Amino acid sequence: SQELEQSPQSLIVQEGKNLTINCTSSKTLYGLYWYKQKYGEGLIFLMMLQKGGEEKSHEKITAKLDEKKQQSSLHITASQPSHAGIYLCGAVTWGTGTASKLTFGTGTRLQVTL
Amino acid sequence: NAGVTQTPKFQVLKTGQSMTLQCAQDMNHEYMSWYRQDPGMGLRLIHYSVGAGITDQGEVPNGYNVSRSTTEDFPLRLLSAAPSQTSVYFCASSYSRLAGTYEQYFGPGTRLTVT
Repeated sequence: SQELEQSPQSLIVQEGKNLTINCTSSKTLYGLYWYKQKYGEGLIFLMMLQKGGEEKSHEKITAKLDEKKQQSSLHITASQPSHAGIYLCGAVTWGTGTASKLTFGTGTRLQVTL
Repeated sequence: NAGVTQTPKFQVLKTGQSMTLQCAQDMNHEYMSWYRQDPGMGLRLIHYSVGAGITDQGEVPNGYNVSRSTTEDFPLRLLSAAPSQTSVYFCASSYSRLAGTYEQYFGPGTRLTVT
C-alpha cells in the first residue's frame, strides 16, 4: 500500500493565484524531497527537507516539513503557466538493516490557466 | 559527468520475452534505485541498492530482478514480460546510502510497452 498520500490529486488554478499541495506519510519521516515533472518528461529536483520545522524556498516555491505531523506542504505564490506539471513528494523511510529508502506519493497534477 | 543514463529510451516486448533495462551513473554514488511510473500512481519503488553487492526490494519487486556488481551499474531484468509491466521506468542515484541526505538524480526514463 502507498505510504505517502498527496492532496489534492489534481488542481486547476488561475494564473497569479496561490496554491498549496500537501504530502502526508503513514511512517516516520527521515527526510522529504519535492520533485516536479513536466508531462512526459523526467523529474526536476526542487528541494530536500531534512529536519522538522525546516522551510526552504526556490523562486516562488516554498516547502516546509512538519515532523510531528509526518507531513510536508508545498506552497506556490503567484502561480505562472511555467508551474504547470506533476508535483511529487518523496519520503525517506527506514529499509532493512542500516539502509534507508525513498518512496514517492501519487503526485499532484497542476494546471495553470490564463 | 553524464549523470544517470538509461538505455533504451523506448522498448516494445511481447508477452513472455525477457530483457534488461540498463542504468549507469558516473558520479560514484552509493545509492541506486529503480522506479516505475504508471498513470495516476506516482512513482513506485521496485528495487534499490546501497552499494555493490547489496540490493533490497521496494514496494513492487515481483517480476523484476536486479544485481549490483559495480558501483556504476544497476541493471533491471524482466525475466518474462507481462502486459502489467507496461510502464515508464526511472533509475535514480544518490551519493550516500542514506537516501535522505543528498539529492536524488534521476535518469531520463525508459518507456516500455508489453503486448
